[in-house]
Parts: sequence; C-alpha cells; structure tokens
Amino acid sequence: KQEVTQIPAALSVPEGENLVLNCSFTDSAIYNLQWFRQDPGKGLTSLLLIQSSQREQTSGRLNASLDKSSGRSTLYIAASQPGDSATYLCAVGPSSNTGKLIFGQGTTLQVKP
Amino acid sequence: DAGVIQSPRHEVTEMGQEVTLRCKPISGHNSLFWYRQTMMRGLELLIYFNNNVPIDDSGMPEDRFSAKMPNASFSTLKIQPSEPRDSAVYFCASRYIQVTGNTIYFGEGSWLTVV
Repeated sequence: KQEVTQIPAALSVPEGENLVLNCSFTDSAIYNLQWFRQDPGKGLTSLLLIQSSQREQTSGRLNASLDKSSGRSTLYIAASQPGDSATYLCAVGPSSNTGKLIFGQGTTLQVKP
Repeated sequence: DAGVIQSPRHEVTEMGQEVTLRCKPISGHNSLFWYRQTMMRGLELLIYFNNNVPIDDSGMPEDRFSAKMPNASFSTLKIQPSEPRDSAVYFCASRYIQVTGNTIYFGEGSWLTVV
C-alpha cells in the first residue's frame, strides 16, 4: 500500500530565505507526483506536476524534483515571501493514469516578514 | 471558467440527519473525484467517476455514504444517517482524462459539522 510522508509537518522561516520541503513515498511504481498549495479555508491549488519519466519541473520561484528510485521528491522555494505561507501537500498518482492521488499530511509553512 | 463549484460551503446538522453535498465539475472535464479531509487522516479519496461511471468506491467508509453522477455536470455525495465522526471537509475535484495525465482542479470544499 502506497504511503506518502512529508517532513517537516511545520516550518517557519524569515522572508527571503530559500527552503526545501520534503516528500517520500513507499512504492516507486508511480504515474506522477504533484505538489499542491492549500490556504486556510480553501481548496487545493496544483503547483507542479511531474510525470514519472521526468526529473523536475519549474514554475517561477518553485522547483520540484523527483527521484523515483529513492522514493523522494522535494519542493524548492526560492526567495520566500510572506504570501508563500500556506500548507503544501505532496500527492502521488499510482502506476496508471487513473487520476487517483494519495496525499501526504502536508507541511505548513509560515514565512515571517 | 468558474472552477469546480461545491454546495453548501458550510453545513451544521444533527446526528441522524441526511446530508447531501453537491458538486459541479469544470465544463468539459470527464473525471470527478470526492475527497474527505480531516486533521487525523488528512486527505482521503472516497470515490471517483470517469465519464459519469463510478470506477473506484473503495474509499467510501460505510454504507451510509453514497455518491451519484447522473450527468457530466453534476454529482452528489450523500450521508444517511450522519454521525459526528463524519465531520470533515469534503472536496470535489475534476480533471480531463488524457493519455499523459493532467492537473486536477479542486473546489473550495463543503465544511460539514455533525453535532
């Protein structure tokens, strides 16, 4: 059974700092991996989607990497801003294109001005 | 595009009552998902539909839960009878099925409290 773990559960950093959020999964037979952002009281917004054949994806100040063999993904946020404060969730898509996602518990990030 | 629309946004109900949550997926999307989020268990997939057909309902916790998708633009998740442990945020999400996979879009959730 696929399990997704995110460490740390919470993180507080000063504005401007570069940071890395970690995600690990137990079964390397995945179809894709996505990073989402969730603001309090809101739904989830997809940030980056990495197909199993890809190593990384970039969008603006965000970079996500994928290492299937080790069952790890990282989300790198450059030059963090207070507006980046949110919960970041990692989700793994199983081995076929079903759209099903298995989520980690998330990392709650606070960026202090 | 209006995004995935869910209703009600908030509901407080008494134990034993029937609860119906509604979802309108993004127009053109042909895959719809119902997730539940709690502090203890995080986000869990309850059921998903492809082309209005239920594909996997293994996440539905009990027979008290049922979901339907009568057409491509509407789905319901029903809990009957409701219990306090059903209190959670219920998210609906949709996407367009493509060979290479595609981003999934979430609604803003229905916040359910059963007292």
